[in-house]
Amino acid sequence: GAGVSQSPSNKVTEKGKDVELRCDPISGHTALYWYRQSLGQGLEFLIYFQGNSAPDKSGLPSDRFSAERTGGSVSTLTIQRTQQEDSAVYLCASSSRTENTEAFFGQGTRLTVV
Amino acid sequence: DAKTTQPPSMDCAEGRAANLPCNHSTISGNEYVYWYRQIHSQGPQYIIHGLKNNETNEMASLIITEDRKSSTLILPHATLRDTAVYYCIVRPRSNDYKLSFGAGTTVTVRA
Repeated sequence: GAGVSQSPSNKVTEKGKDVELRCDPISGHTALYWYRQSLGQGLEFLIYFQGNSAPDKSGLPSDRFSAERTGGSVSTLTIQRTQQEDSAVYLCASSSRTENTEAFFGQGTRLTVV
Repeated sequence: DAKTTQPPSMDCAEGRAANLPCNHSTISGNEYVYWYRQIHSQGPQYIIHGLKNNETNEMASLIITEDRKSSTLILPHATLRDTAVYYCIVRPRSNDYKLSFGAGTTVTVRA
């Protein structure tokens, strides 16, 4: 596709269930970022991938959160035993390895934990 | 740790230029200034970036002071669709770094 694609666009889950959020970056982009944005708040960095490795996972809020990236392309963010405070929009972005290029964001997955 | 300071909000009249300030007094020599905006319910959108020279593209102009401690994003003819939160970010040259978003400036363009 032409842009960063995220799925699902909306997800409602029950407290305690696990969820997987998917990000398809722009083809050829080696860098991939996950952010989350709670209602009315700014963007909170979660994790950054370069290829399949994650040199910066400092933003993951707890060990219930994990992410992986396979084949240097698709990434999955997994939240285990979801809590109500996990409700937010989860945004993915990708960029090329070339210096000084911009990151392109997807439209996000809106997660609601009930 | 956004390393930038922006006013929380500003209003602008439709058709007029909008000048958005940003302070980045601790910027280092290898860091660029990036601007993104986020329209309600959408993902952030890249606008422009620069190192020390002024930059212009189809969306905006970026004016960076000579000491690089501050910059101004200029939207030359604001429209209602420019209403958004605008983020000023400093980031090293290499793309091996995250983008750190602060609170940004909420810009409201009024008819």
